[in-house]
Amino acid sequence: EIVLTQSPATLSLSPGERATLSCRASQSVSSDLAWYQQKPGQAPRLLIYDASNRATGIPARFSASGSGTDFTLTISGLEPEDFAVYYCQHRNDWPPIFTFGPGTKVDIK
Amino acid sequence: EVPLVESGGGLVQPGESLRLSCAASGFTFSDYWMTWVRQPPGKGLEWVAIIKQDGSEKFYVDSVKGRFTILRDNARNSLYLQMNSLRAEDTAVYYCARHGYRTSVGDYWGRGTLVTVSS
Repeated sequence: EIVLTQSPATLSLSPGERATLSCRASQSVSSDLAWYQQKPGQAPRLLIYDASNRATGIPARFSASGSGTDFTLTISGLEPEDFAVYYCQHRNDWPPIFTFGPGTKVDIK
Repeated sequence: EVPLVESGGGLVQPGESLRLSCAASGFTFSDYWMTWVRQPPGKGLEWVAIIKQDGSEKFYVDSVKGRFTILRDNARNSLYLQMNSLRAEDTAVYYCARHGYRTSVGDYWGRGTLVTVSS
């Protein structure tokens, strides 16, 4: 079973700063990774699929990279609406089983 | 937007059953795999189940196998989660989501419905 670890658990930054979030898999997951944003009281919102592809309507300040075991989500210039919890998620090839990381909270410094 | 609206949540006692529904609109429901994801209060996300377009294939997280059944009715554009033998640890907000991309569990999500299992 693949385990996803996210770091840091909490990231305290100011608006306008750059956020760098990490997701590490316990074994190689190729590029089978997605990233979500979740704000309090709201459903998760898909940001990134296939490790680096922005989903529909996602601003260009969100970018992601990585393959194998190490992945990064970068927010270049935090907007007030970006303060939220971010989850990475892996999809097993077959059967289709999905695993989430524990999340990184980005809060206002 | 791709509206997905869940319903059917509530307070039940341990061992009881509950059936969640998810009404879809704004897209061709029968073209997509559909999923359920849950989130215990104050905790992270956990994928629960996924169903193929025609309902012929279904997969579950180990913790719900044998207790939960994912179903769909393409004529009604509806997804369901039949939950039996509920336990306290099943308490969560349950989201339905459209499986639009291979790697992501869902590209569009409903707002969720809260299930509380408590005596």
